[in-house]
Amino acid sequence: QSALTQPASVSGSPGQSITISCTGTSSDVGGYNYVSWYQQHPGKAPKLMIYDVSNRPSGVSNRFSGSKSGNTASLTISGLQAEDEADYYCSSYTSSSTQVFGTGTKVTVL
Amino acid sequence: EVQLVESGGGLVQPGRSLRLSCAASGFTFDDYAMHWVRQAPGKGLEWVSGISWNSGSIGYADSVKGRFTISRDNAKNSLYLQMNSLRAEDTALYYCAKAYNWNFHSHMDVWGKGTTVTVSS
Repeated sequence: QSALTQPASVSGSPGQSITISCTGTSSDVGGYNYVSWYQQHPGKAPKLMIYDVSNRPSGVSNRFSGSKSGNTASLTISGLQAEDEADYYCSSYTSSSTQVFGTGTKVTVL
Repeated sequence: EVQLVESGGGLVQPGRSLRLSCAASGFTFDDYAMHWVRQAPGKGLEWVSGISWNSGSIGYADSVKGRFTISRDNAKNSLYLQMNSLRAEDTALYYCAKAYNWNFHSHMDVWGKGTTVTVSS
């Protein structure tokens, strides 16, 4: 159950778009459409941003979008805003009937 | 309002046990699977365990398998995590999270605020 691989940090200027990758294997990301993304601000509980690869929960801005190709999922934030500065984690169901999180990515708005 | 409130955390010596609880409200508890997720100080999220709506399907991370036991009492709208043989590396903030549907294959759509477990002599 190795953690999914994410870049440690990604940064962008306000208004720009950034993309966070999440790389796993055919036993998790590549094998199921059960990839989700969570946003976590310091000292707060995680918040669901994307589920089942590309679906947005009610109330989440349409600036957030998700996709998947092979064993790599991606989260794109368009029109970057100061409030988007946070840690982001991907997660996937696995063939071992478990869940696994990514290593986490710190997003910095310049 | 959907709400999850964890309790039971604290300071415990290595090798001892602790039982966490999660009280759920605002939704039909026995319609949904539940998860426990933890976060060590300054570290990322780690999935710990999941349980289906009727306890018929349960999963554990390798790091806790054989030491932790997840359970639920649908009559009391409560989720539990019995933690035995605790180690220093179990020190973390433990979150209770609601699954999207009856199966813990699904994502976590509601999270509690967490309860802190510190394992130290």
